[in-house]
Amino acid sequence: GENVEQHPSTLSVQEGDSAVIKCTYSDSASNYFPWYKQELGKGPQLIIDIRSNVGEKKDQRIAVTLNKTAKHFSLHITETQPEDSAVYFCAASNTGDYKLSFGAGTTVTVRA
Amino acid sequence: EAGVTQSPTHLIKTRGQQATLRCSPISGHTSVYWYQQALGLGLQFLLWYDEGEERNRGNFPPRFSGRQFPNYSSELNVNALELEDSALYLCASSWDRGSDTQYFGPGTRLTVL
Repeated sequence: GENVEQHPSTLSVQEGDSAVIKCTYSDSASNYFPWYKQELGKGPQLIIDIRSNVGEKKDQRIAVTLNKTAKHFSLHITETQPEDSAVYFCAASNTGDYKLSFGAGTTVTVRA
Repeated sequence: EAGVTQSPTHLIKTRGQQATLRCSPISGHTSVYWYQQALGLGLQFLLWYDEGEERNRGNFPPRFSGRQFPNYSSELNVNALELEDSALYLCASSWDRGSDTQYFGPGTRLTVL
C-alpha cells in the first residue's frame, strides 16, 4: 500500500516568515495530493490539493509543488500569521481507490 | 452550506461494549468515508460507503462495520471494544461515486475504559 512520509514533525516560525513542509510517497500510481489543516478540537480542513498532471498550484499565501519523478510534494506558506498555527497533514491517493493515505502531520507554530 | 456533521461529540464506553457513531454528509454528497485518528498512529482509512454499499475497507478487523442509509448518512459500529479503539473517529464526504476530494467533519472522540 501507499506510504507517505512527512517532515518536519514540528516547525516554529516567526510571524511573517515562510514555512515549508515536505512529503514523500511510495506508490507511483498515486495521482492526487491534498493538504489538510487541523486545529485543536476540529476535523481536518482541506486547504489545497494538486493532481499529478500539474506541477504547482497556488492559492493566496499557500502553494503546493509536486515532483512526480522524485515522488515528493511540498506545502509552502508565505507571510505566516498566528492563525496559521495548526497541525498540517499531507495525503496521497490514486483515482479509483479513493483511500487517502496520510502523513504523520507537522505541528506549525507561528511566533508573534 | 452546512458541512459534515457527526454525533455524538464524545462517547465513553467500557471494554467489550459496542459503540455507534453517526455521520451526515454535506448536502448533495453521496459518498461517506470513515477514518480513525489514534494517538501516535495518525489518520488511517477505515471504510468507504457509496450508494448504500461498502466500496473499500482499510486494515481493520471485522468488528469495525457500518452502513449507509438511503439519505446518504452513515453509521460506524465498533463491536467488542478494546482499549486501543480509543481515538477520534472522523467522517468525510465527497461528490459522486467516490472522489479523492474529501471534506471532513469534526469527529467523535471515543474513549474506551
